[in-house]
Amino acid sequence: AQSVTQLDSHVSVSEGTPVLLRCNYSSSYSPSLFWYVQHPNKGLQLLLKYTSAATLVKGINGFEAEFKKSETSFHLTKPSAHMSDAAEYFCVVSDSTNDYKLSFGAGTTVTVRA
Amino acid sequence: SQTIHQWPATLVQPVGSPLSLECTVEGTSNPNLYWYRQAAGRGLQLLFYSVGIGQISSEVPQNLSASRPQDRQFILSSKKLLLSDSGFYLCAWTTGFGNQPQHFGDGTRLSIL
Repeated sequence: AQSVTQLDSHVSVSEGTPVLLRCNYSSSYSPSLFWYVQHPNKGLQLLLKYTSAATLVKGINGFEAEFKKSETSFHLTKPSAHMSDAAEYFCVVSDSTNDYKLSFGAGTTVTVRA
Repeated sequence: SQTIHQWPATLVQPVGSPLSLECTVEGTSNPNLYWYRQAAGRGLQLLFYSVGIGQISSEVPQNLSASRPQDRQFILSSKKLLLSDSGFYLCAWTTGFGNQPQHFGDGTRLSIL
């Protein structure tokens, strides 16, 4: 069975400082991992994906994530937070054992202080 | 490019009334289609998915049903809404190939009175 744990339910950062959102996963087989962002009353937007290619994945809006198999982690980072980054972020895993259905983390709410 | 449309964006319905939410995808053929519900302060729950016309898989026994009358159209329905059906409903699509990401619509906010 696959699952995802987002280690922080809420992260608060100052504008211009780095952002780190932590995610650990559990998967029996080679997983695919994704980060999505959701702004209020909007759908989920794909930030980046890992599908067994390079372990350091670059996404949109300056975000990147590193897949670490030994630590079963897929943490999301951004060097400098912008006010528009305030949103909820979901770490998601899928693998072939569950017909590639998505398993979502509980989400991390990011607030950005001016 | 591919796009996904959901409507309506918001809906307020009385308990016991019927429901029909529609989702359409443009720019791709034979997508896998999904309906999710997101309750306030909670994660996403997969309700239904479809790998082709007329093929519906249900993930959670409930008051809702889904249909796929056309290749790129996915409909979520209910004959009689319950208070517990309130939430944010999201439609998503992906190609039929294994590990590709899902792409989400903007959702429908459903409030039951």
